[in-house]
Amino acid sequence: SQTIHQWPATLVQPVGSPLSLECTVEGTSNPNLYWYRQAAGRGLQLLFYSVGIGQISSEVPQNLSASRPQDRQFILSSKKLLLSDSGFYLCAWSVENEQYFGPGTRLTVT
Amino acid sequence: AQSVAQPEDQVNVAEGNPLTVKCTYSVSGNPYLFWYVQYPNRGLQFLLKYITGDNLVKGSYGFEAEFNKSQTSFHLKKPSALVSDSALYFCAVRDRRSSSASKIIFGSGTRLSIRP
Repeated sequence: SQTIHQWPATLVQPVGSPLSLECTVEGTSNPNLYWYRQAAGRGLQLLFYSVGIGQISSEVPQNLSASRPQDRQFILSSKKLLLSDSGFYLCAWSVENEQYFGPGTRLTVT
Repeated sequence: AQSVAQPEDQVNVAEGNPLTVKCTYSVSGNPYLFWYVQYPNRGLQFLLKYITGDNLVKGSYGFEAEFNKSQTSFHLKKPSALVSDSALYFCAVRDRRSSSASKIIFGSGTRLSIRP
């Protein structure tokens, strides 16, 4: 069966520091991968999605970037964090019609 | 353009009573429709989906949803609520004419609270 991992589970970082969040998927090949941010426990904002290695689509201009160095690895990064980057970050994968989500990373920028 | 609306920020129901969480959608073609549930500090869990066929879809944990094309709705229902159903619920839609890589659009979420 397929599983999706995210780490770390929680992270507290100062403003201006770099960020790297990792997501890996097991049990599937060539998945579509997604990064979402959820603010204040409500709606989801799609940040990036990827249909293959090295292929990244950005949904909103922002302080973040994404990379897909391997088929089942998706990384969310920032060179300098802002306070507004705080939130709950969710990675997801999809095949055909459904999306499945990872456990999420709670990021607090102080 | 696709969109999905969940008109209620919060729904409060007594345990044992039926519950409904509303969802309406807008797509240019025929939709794929989904419901997800999120417990505190967790990722979203898939509950059920409508692809084609019977308009009444049954999913996990006793939930079901009815696809109503004329009203463009996909309300989530359960005949008898449990306290453990308390969570945040998301409706989502995708236009079936778009590629598999395209986005699923999520609603803003409805917080369901079941009182004992």
